[in-house]
Amino acid sequence: TQLLEQSPQFLSIQEGENLTVYCNSSSVFSSLQWYRQEPGEGPVLLVTVVTGGEVKKLKRLTFQFGDARKDSSLHITAAQPGDTGLYLCAGPPDRGSTLGRLYFGRGTQLTVWP
Amino acid sequence: NAGVMQNPRHLVRRRGQEARLRCSPMKGHSHVYWYRQLPEEGLKFMVYLQKENIIDESGMPKERFSAEFPKEGPSILRIQQVVRGDSAAYFCASAQGARAYEQYFGPGTRLTVT
Repeated sequence: TQLLEQSPQFLSIQEGENLTVYCNSSSVFSSLQWYRQEPGEGPVLLVTVVTGGEVKKLKRLTFQFGDARKDSSLHITAAQPGDTGLYLCAGPPDRGSTLGRLYFGRGTQLTVWP
Repeated sequence: NAGVMQNPRHLVRRRGQEARLRCSPMKGHSHVYWYRQLPEEGLKFMVYLQKENIIDESGMPKERFSAEFPKEGPSILRIQQVVRGDSAAYFCASAQGARAYEQYFGPGTRLTVT
């Protein structure tokens, strides 16, 4: 069983469109991290959200942590081909986990067409 | 830019041989994590180490797999008597103690067992 469920699994859109991807769990997380991974490379950390209800912006990317710290979303405005990649959410559950051990969702594969 | 370094990037081994994967954490990071990524499963935690100590190896198979992080030198993930099912991408991540959930990943080692 996956502790973190991501949706959609695949997303294919045109340049300039907006999109939202989701990361959900039935467990409470101490924090959630969002990563982007490109083929043949390691995941690159985009952001960490820690407080319930927290919103962080990174240029055209907006990240939100749910009030109950069980879910998160990533919204991209005016997507560009350079946004193409696998978006992963990850985090340490609030309980029963070694410090820093991350559980990952399976990711959303985003393709942005020019 | 001294990020997390892993070598080799690609490793081919015949069944029964040994595989050694190396990871040098980012400067100033004392926590090292190893993850394995399979196409249909996503990233899975294997082991968490600090200098000269294994903190959590609950994600690592009990047989054939071992990991170390010596006082001097890189962390090493060792797989003895490899089998085809060991073929995967292996990623190392490092973090600072106070922010162990913010992990920075290396580019990975892609192991192929023939």
